Amino acid sequence: DIQMTQSPSSLSASVGDRVTITCRASQSISSDLNWYQQRPGKAPKLLIYTASSLQSGVPSRFSGSGSGTYFTLTISSLQPEDFATYYCQQSYTTPPYSFGQGTKVEIK
Amino acid sequence: QVQLVQSGAEVKKPGASVKVSCKASGYTFTSYGISWVRQAPGQGLEWMGWISAHNGNTYYTQKFQGRVTMTTDTSTNTAYMELRNLRSDDTAVYYCARNRGYSGYEEHWGQGTLVTVSS
Repeated sequence: DIQMTQSPSSLSASVGDRVTITCRASQSISSDLNWYQQRPGKAPKLLIYTASSLQSGVPSRFSGSGSGTYFTLTISSLQPEDFATYYCQQSYTTPPYSFGQGTKVEIK
Repeated sequence: QVQLVQSGAEVKKPGASVKVSCKASGYTFTSYGISWVRQAPGQGLEWMGWISAHNGNTYYTQKFQGRVTMTTDTSTNTAYMELRNLRSDDTAVYYCARNRGYSGYEEHWGQGTLVTVSS
């Protein structure tokens, strides 16, 4: 199975900061990489699919990039509602798929 | 609008089985698949498997093969996930989510079902 590794595991940032989270795959997954946001007690929410496509309704301060084995999620200007945990997920061709271990974004 | 409504919380003893349901509405059920994802308390997301609502094909993560069965009922637009031989570390919130299955992604999620395994 394909393993996903996110870094950092957690970070502290201030409102207005630019934040970047990285995700590495154990093998090439083309652009089959998705990003989710999860707030405490809530179901995950899809932010970015196929590495760089913004899900409908998601603010444009979120962006994704990468291909192959290296991917990034960037929040251009952190807002109070963005403090949450973020997960990458590979969905390369047929299942099974897998998530990274998550990155918790906390208030500095 | 797309909705996935899951069954209520369960408490089970070790060794028992649990069956969680996920009723879909707002789209053509057989045009997509359903993924199952779980999250233990304070832990990350764990992808368990996927079933095609079109033909019933399933893919399970190796960790759960032999202990999980995913099914669908197209007459009621409902997906089911049965996990057998429960252990305490199966205590988690179980989510269903809509996923087309080939290079797909979990676009819509259920509200989650807490399964507690305790003697």
